[in-house]
Order: sequence, then C-alpha cells, then structure tokens
Amino acid sequence: EVQLVESGGGLVQPGGSLRLSCAASGFTFSDHYMDWVRQAPGKGLEWVGHTRDKAHSYTTEYAASVKGRFTISRDDSKKSLYLQMNSLKTEDTAVYYCTRALFSGGHYSFDSWGQGTLVTVSS
Amino acid sequence: DIQMTQSPSSLSASVGDRVTITCRASQDISNYLAWFQQKPGKAPKSLIYAASSLQSGVPSKFSGSGSGTDFTLTINSLQPEDFATYYCQQYKSYPLTFGGGTKVEIK
Repeated sequence: EVQLVESGGGLVQPGGSLRLSCAASGFTFSDHYMDWVRQAPGKGLEWVGHTRDKAHSYTTEYAASVKGRFTISRDDSKKSLYLQMNSLKTEDTAVYYCTRALFSGGHYSFDSWGQGTLVTVSS
Repeated sequence: DIQMTQSPSSLSASVGDRVTITCRASQDISNYLAWFQQKPGKAPKSLIYAASSLQSGVPSKFSGSGSGTDFTLTINSLQPEDFATYYCQQYKSYPLTFGGGTKVEIK
C-alpha cells in the first residue's frame, strides 16, 4: 500500500524558515517524480513544485509564488521528500500535501496524497 | 500561466441525480487534464487523468470528457459519499494549475 506521511508543520513567524518532510513507503520511491501541493484555509489547491527522479537528474520546478524561497529535495535512500521553506510570508499559511506523480502513456497524475501538514505563518 | 475556470462554483443536487461540472482552460491543453475529489478535512483523491481515463479503483459512475479548452466531469447516480468539492487541474505546462473548485452539496 502506498503511504505518504508529512511532518514538520507548525507555527512560524514571518520571515522565518521551516522544513517539511514526507516519508514514503509501499512503492519504489526513486522511480517517481514527487510534488508538493498546498491549500490555504478555506481555499483551493495550489501546486508548489516538484522534483524529478534520478533519471531526470533530480531537477526541480516551482510555482512563481515560492520560487527563490522554497527548495524541494529528496533522499531516495531514505525514501523521503523535503520542502525547505525560507522567508516565509503570511500568505504561505496552508496545509501542505506531499503527492506521488504517476506517468501513464505520457500523462502525469497525482495518484497518491499524504494527509497533509499545517504551516501557520503568523506573528 | 494557464488559467483553469470551473463552473459552477457550487451546486445542490439530490441523491440519485446526474451532475455535470465544467472546466475551461485559458489556452489549448489538449487532454492534459485531471480531476480530483476532496472531502472536508481530507486530502484530495485522484479521479481522472488524461481528461477521460479513470484512476485505478475509481468507480465508473465518474466520467470525464473534453479536449482543447473545454472539459466536463460527470457523476452518475449521486450518492451521499459523492458530496464533496471537485477540482480540475492542467498539466500541459508549468506551472501546473488547478481550477477554483466546485462544491457539490446535498439538496
């Protein structure tokens, strides 16, 4: 069974930093792109970014709203995904979800999601 | 960026109804479109990818159609467990973007 478990959320002041983790199990982690998606309280879903797999040199893509402040990384030996968040703003307050990306026939889908971890940016 | 617009933003329906949700892309995305279901306090669940392909384990009461800029999600014979918020998402180009969501409520 695919499992994704996020951790590391909490309360942080504006301008501060936080590192989220996502522990994966039940699948070959190294074979998959992994994404972060967030959801502000009462709002819709927003893609944060992703890391490609080793075959694609672990390259990353980001949403403009977080580029230059957030960094996505992974450790395939630990089956873990990370989101380093710096220079946090109040608008970064959200539940952050870790998702597994699945390729099928050239199509990309988020077929598995973690339960999410809440990040609150407030003074 | 590609903007995704869903309509309606909310709807009321009865158990047994057939429901259709529309998603429009601001530019041609071919069939690079996915649909998700989210219940309150829960993570989203993948329903459909490639505009019309059901994710493994998703019941056939859910169906998707469309190509280019206009897409629909249809739910047949609405059941209590189907009351939720539904999102479309394009993955044709970066940044990946979601629609604003459609909340399906009980009439």
